Amino acid sequence: EAQVTQNPRYLITVTGKKLTVTCSQNMNHEYMSWYRQDPGLGLRQIYYSMNVEVTDKGDVPEGYKVSRKEKRNFPLILESPSPNQTSLYFCASSRLAGGYHYEQYFGPGTRLTVT
Amino acid sequence: AQKITQTQPGMFVQEKEAVTLDCTYDTSDPSYGLFWYKQPSSGEMIFLIYQGSYDQQNATEGRYSLNFQKARKSANLVISASQLGDSAMYFCAMRVNNAGNMLTFGGGTRLMVKP
Repeated sequence: EAQVTQNPRYLITVTGKKLTVTCSQNMNHEYMSWYRQDPGLGLRQIYYSMNVEVTDKGDVPEGYKVSRKEKRNFPLILESPSPNQTSLYFCASSRLAGGYHYEQYFGPGTRLTVT
Repeated sequence: AQKITQTQPGMFVQEKEAVTLDCTYDTSDPSYGLFWYKQPSSGEMIFLIYQGSYDQQNATEGRYSLNFQKARKSANLVISASQLGDSAMYFCAMRVNNAGNMLTFGGGTRLMVKP
């Protein structure tokens, strides 16, 4: 089954404790991205990657890191989480060849609470 | 920069009636794609329909159609014969060819279908 998986689905942590949210896709997609969803703001892109070892900042990258060492995986790292990073996080992937035509497939989401 | 505006935070519709969800966009790039996603209360993001900027005809997918008015920069979603299961958040999004293939989202519209 074609899918994007994220782990963990729910996480409660404390300020300053480093955490990683994993994301994996089995569709051989070149493009992967991370979004955060906050009420009234829709989804905002944090980082994206157009292929292995190619990453770039989205609209709200501050406080986050990513890496793309393998095509299928795109982890999101919060080195020192703060309460304003409490949010619902989505990983997504899509084909890239031909550009903007392809829809993004979303993971189930990770609800993060930072106290 | 790209921008998506959804001016209806919430809407009610009677079951079996049609409903239009508004979306306006702003971009200076001539090559772009417009997407609609549905997010039910369970949280996942479900792709509904796509319209390319060069497509001559409005996109349709089952009960969903996209009313694309390029000169007005609008891409309204029309749902015909509403069902109770259509109650959800709906997001309009745009992907631009020359912006790292970022997907920019609107703030969403919550649709509630009344029995």
